[in-house]
Amino acid sequence: AQRVTQPEKLLSVFKGAPVELKCNYSYSGSPELFWYVQYSRQRLQLLLRHISRESIKGFTADLNKGETSFHLKKPFAQEEDSAMYYCALTSGNTPLVFGKGTRLSVIA
Amino acid sequence: ETGVTQSPTHLIKTRGQQVTLRCSSQSGHNTVSWYQQALGQGPQFIFQYYREEENGRGNFPPRFSGLQFPNYSSELNVNALELDDSALYLCASSDSPHTGELFFGEGSRLTVL
Repeated sequence: AQRVTQPEKLLSVFKGAPVELKCNYSYSGSPELFWYVQYSRQRLQLLLRHISRESIKGFTADLNKGETSFHLKKPFAQEEDSAMYYCALTSGNTPLVFGKGTRLSVIA
Repeated sequence: ETGVTQSPTHLIKTRGQQVTLRCSSQSGHNTVSWYQQALGQGPQFIFQYYREEENGRGNFPPRFSGLQFPNYSSELNVNALELDDSALYLCASSDSPHTGELFFGEGSRLTVL
């Protein structure tokens, strides 16, 4: 069964500090991993996907199949990064499975 | 381009009642997925509709049912409401059933008393 684990419910960092939101998954096949974000009073939206290997709003995430992880990173946190972040997984033929989410709070 | 819209935004029901939630998919999308998000939890997959047919179902009882219409809009129906059904119900549309790129609505918050 597919499973996504986000070990931290809340992560607080100071503005300008590095950010790492952890995501571990369990899946025996070839997964597709995503990060979704929900800013205050906004809908859930896609932030980035591992296939595209892109940087969005300064965030990057690398799929590590050996460690079954897909951690989200940003070198310098900004106040506008404060939001709820969800890691999600699909195999392509299965529905998107979400983790429980991590609330990032960036302190000025 | 019109985004995903859901209605109603909030509603209150009592145990045993029935509820229908509605979702209009984004223009050009033929797939709708429904998720339940309880407080403090991530979205849980209920089911997906693709071209008017159910295309996958999560671990939810049969009293959760759905429909998709020819214009790809969708309904979620829940019968015999229970207190634990209180949650935010999210609709997401996509241009394919086999994608993790979902476009979400703002959700319908259901409270069961």
